[in-house]
Amino acid sequence: ETGVTQSPTHLIKTRGQQVTLRCSSQSGHNTVSWYQQALGQGPQFIFQYYREEENGRGNFPPRFSGLQFPNYSSELNVNALELDDSALYLCASSLGGYSNQPQHFGDGTRLSIL
Amino acid sequence: EDQVTQSPEALRLQEGESSSLNCSYTVSGLRGLFWYRQDPGKGPEFLFTLYSAGEEKEKERLKATLTKKESFLHITAPKPEDSATYLCAVQAFANSKLTFGKGITLSVRP
Repeated sequence: ETGVTQSPTHLIKTRGQQVTLRCSSQSGHNTVSWYQQALGQGPQFIFQYYREEENGRGNFPPRFSGLQFPNYSSELNVNALELDDSALYLCASSLGGYSNQPQHFGDGTRLSIL
Repeated sequence: EDQVTQSPEALRLQEGESSSLNCSYTVSGLRGLFWYRQDPGKGPEFLFTLYSAGEEKEKERLKATLTKKESFLHITAPKPEDSATYLCAVQAFANSKLTFGKGITLSVRP
């Protein structure tokens, strides 16, 4: 069984640029959630996709957007990057949208903004 | 708004010295409480889900318990390989997100 994989593992960008992060969900999972984890903090929910539709969004501005594809993989796009966007971005997959099934995480993409 | 508070922020134990990690929460209708382990440079690794007060789950040296306001992660006779950050998260019936605490960094000295 393949777990959640994220790419790239590390990325360095400058302010104002745009970035796309990618996530392949665990086999059999149809739901992908994205989180931002700043250093020393717990993950903060960005949004969730269930069967290609957004299924909940946290307190992040519209310049954070996403997609889910028919194979349930997903992308996180961030426009107009700011210094505060430097963080570990985590993707988690699960089975079902409003489900109590556990979310399984990838190892994240470390994004640094200069 | 859902809230999770974990304490202490950091815990240092001698190998074999048992202890407990606390997770206090407020949520409007608990769908589930989740414990994760996170190693440096890695994503959170799922440990347990608890659904209702009085429930307990065990895995090797770890035991998680749940009340209506708190969850405890008990570590019995820890080993150095148990050193990690332990995250607690809640999910409400009303939404799909996990709300995490800041985590507890556990260090176990040989």
